[in-house]
Amino acid sequence: NAGVTQTPKFQVLKTGQSMTLQCAQDMNHEYMSWYRQDPGMGLRLIHYSVGAGITDQGEVPNGYNVSRSTTEDFPLRLLSAAPSQTSVYFCASSLGVMPFNEQFFGPGTRLTVL
Amino acid sequence: AQKITQTQPGMFVQEKEAVTLDCTYDTSDPSYGLFWYKQPSSGEMIFLIYQGSYDQQNATEGRYSLNFQKARKSANLVISASQLGDSAMYFCAMREGGTGNQFYFGTGTSLTVIP
Repeated sequence: NAGVTQTPKFQVLKTGQSMTLQCAQDMNHEYMSWYRQDPGMGLRLIHYSVGAGITDQGEVPNGYNVSRSTTEDFPLRLLSAAPSQTSVYFCASSLGVMPFNEQFFGPGTRLTVL
Repeated sequence: AQKITQTQPGMFVQEKEAVTLDCTYDTSDPSYGLFWYKQPSSGEMIFLIYQGSYDQQNATEGRYSLNFQKARKSANLVISASQLGDSAMYFCAMREGGTGNQFYFGTGTSLTVIP
């Protein structure tokens, strides 16, 4: 099992560019999510999905799109990058949404927007 | 209101001593889970320990234990016999039973173990 994988590990964008952060899991998890981590703010939920074809917004969804066409993949799209989106992005997954379902995290993507 | 509050931005502990990292939570859902994650300087998020709201006993995993005080809504992490490798950020998190779609994180505590 590779667990949760994310690509790329590092990315530098110019303001206005778009890109997609990839996330995949091989554990057959129904729930997947994207977070951003900024200094002093913990992890903030961007979008999540409870299954293929179902997505919803988290705490900070503006400027990001997601889709979930398969159970395995949950890409995060930045439509028009802004310096405020400079952050570390984590993808995570869990078997379900029960209180005891821990989340497994990918290694993160460090994004810099100039 | 914050769902998870960690009031200690930074903590120091002597090697081989025990340390307690504080976490309080806010929920009206009777069913919830509490989690602690460790984030070393390399950046990955490592799951440490879980406590369910209906669990009668405090959770333990090796040198980690969770001091669960339900009436006070606190879920403090206790690390015994600290090691240099315990230096990291520690995050408390909660998942509610009614709306398990969201996993709430605190802002974290930076722990430094001093030799």
